[in-house]
Amino acid sequence: SQKIEQNSEALNIQEGKTATLTCNYTNYSPAYLQWYRQDPGRGPVFLLLIRENEKEKRKERLKVTFDTTLKQSLFHITASQPADSATYLCALVTGTASKLTFGTGTRLQVTL
Amino acid sequence: DTAVSQTPKYLVTQMGNDKSIKCEQNLGHDTMYWYKQDSKKFLKIMFSYNNKELIINETVPNRFSPKSPDKAHLNLHINSLELGDSAVYFCASSPRQGHQETQYFGPGTRLLVL
Repeated sequence: SQKIEQNSEALNIQEGKTATLTCNYTNYSPAYLQWYRQDPGRGPVFLLLIRENEKEKRKERLKVTFDTTLKQSLFHITASQPADSATYLCALVTGTASKLTFGTGTRLQVTL
Repeated sequence: DTAVSQTPKYLVTQMGNDKSIKCEQNLGHDTMYWYKQDSKKFLKIMFSYNNKELIINETVPNRFSPKSPDKAHLNLHINSLELGDSAVYFCASSPRQGHQETQYFGPGTRLLVL
């Protein structure tokens, strides 16, 4: 069966450290993978998109990798700040209809 | 300046009632979506419309009926509400249909069925 799993439900790290979130999938062949951030009581907000033929994508303190052999994406936040505390969702893009299939999400808590 | 707006924000109703949720986007996008986020925060696509045409229809009970009067609006009507329909419903839009398209989400409608 098809599954998208994000490493843990919650991740606690100290301010200034690098947070690494994992997204693993099975029985999908995504053309693209997206990462979204969701704050409590709000809708998800797009962060980054990476294509199947790209190994890595960066945007400011964010970095995403995509390994189609391992069927895994890693999402890194460097020099993390308390304001980075949120739930992060990976989403696979498959088919021609822009269908996003979301992972279970990881709640990141950055403490002082 | 709200890009994707939904009404109402909260909806509390009794089992068996019929209710509607409205969504509007002012981004000029062609494609709109409805998602359901359950109590475990799992976000799942329900429907998608591209230029008023239904393009994604996941396995959703036929008590749920989307309607797109124009490409800026996508409404969701739910008949005979059940306890299991309690969730947060998100509307989203994207510029067009396609793999590279970022989706822009509304603030959500919190539905509680008693």
